Order: sequence, then C-alpha cells, then structure tokens
Amino acid sequence: QKEVEQNSGPLSVPEGAIASLNCTYSDRGSQSFFWYRQYSGKSPELIMSIYSNGDKEDGRFTAQLNKASQYVSLLIRDSQPSDSATYLCAVNESGAQKLVFGQGTRLTINP
Amino acid sequence: EAQVTQNPRYLITVTGKKLTVTCSQNMNHEYMSWYRQDPGLGLRQIYYSMNVEVTDKGDVPEGYKVSRKEKRNFPLILESPSPNQTSLYFCASSFGQGGYEQYFGPGTRLTVT
Repeated sequence: QKEVEQNSGPLSVPEGAIASLNCTYSDRGSQSFFWYRQYSGKSPELIMSIYSNGDKEDGRFTAQLNKASQYVSLLIRDSQPSDSATYLCAVNESGAQKLVFGQGTRLTINP
Repeated sequence: EAQVTQNPRYLITVTGKKLTVTCSQNMNHEYMSWYRQDPGLGLRQIYYSMNVEVTDKGDVPEGYKVSRKEKRNFPLILESPSPNQTSLYFCASSFGQGGYEQYFGPGTRLTVT
C-alpha cells in the first residue's frame, strides 16, 4: 500500500495570514495530486489539482509540487474563518485505479 | 447540476439486517468508488468500478458487495451488517480512470447496533 503522509494538526493560523499545508507521498510513479477540503460531517470537496512540478494558483489557493522530493503543498493566502476544515491530500497510485488519501490536516483559522 | 447522490443519508439498523445504500451520478462518469471514513483511519476504499459490469475490490472489501448494472448507479450492499461497519460512507465518481479527480457524494452515516 502506497502511503501519503500529512501532519494531522491541528494547525492554527490567525485570520489574514498564510496557511501552509504539507504532504509527502511514497509512490515515485504518481502523476496526479489533489487537495480536498472537508468540513466536519461533510463530504470531501476538490479544491486543487496539480500534475506537473511547480506552482499552480487558483484564487487564494496555491498548490506546489516537487516530484523529486515527493512533496506537495497547499498555501492558503488571506486565510478566512471559513477556511477552517480538514484538508486531505490525495495522490494517484501508479499502476492502480485509485487515489490514496492522507489522513488529513485539521486547520483552524482564528479571528 | 452535476452531482453524486446517495441515499439514505442516515441509517440506524441492527446486526444482520441486509441493507443497500444507493449511489447515483449524472456526469456520465465511467469510474465509481465506495469509501468508508473512520476517525484515525482516514478514507479507505471498499470497492470500485471501472465501468458497467466491471467491479473490483479496494482495500477493505470484507462484508460488502457492489454491482454496476447501469453506468450511473453503483449501490453498496451489506448482506449481514455488523457493528464494526458503523461508519461514514462516501460514494465518488470520476471521468476516466480512478487516478483522476474524484467527486464525492454527500455521505451516508450508518450505525449498526
């Protein structure tokens, strides 16, 4: 079973600051990387996908991928209380028809 | 509206009483999957389907069955539920293969007493 590791948190960030979420993965053959946001008791919601090395920006969110280091991160700029949620990193497992999910990082934005 | 729907959303049942959780998607996705989510264990895949009549086991298939007779529907069947199947269940779908973006249904919270 390939692994995806995240710091479980909780990560506490003041409102307006940058939240930085990190994820490492074990499968060197992985090509697709995703960040999901999950509010308590709700379903995971896809917020970012990234497939090539470098940065990808979408509004206040930036995903960063470094395949050589097997590392993917999510930056949230100008953090808002509504960003408080658990963030799941997901990585495709090479040679298999599946995504492997990390356990998630619980993020709290403090007003 | 493009979506994945699940029913029921909440279910309390007793050990051994067969139940079915339905899942339907209106996005014409080939790939569908069932997950369970438990505290401390994260999301674990139960079964997945690459297309009609094509299903395969995920990481935790014991005690579950699935079928894919139509592209849009992928029901999860618990023939004889046990308390260790108490969990939050999600159905997801994806265009193409399982390694692409997956879109999740709202979830079904199942309690087996």
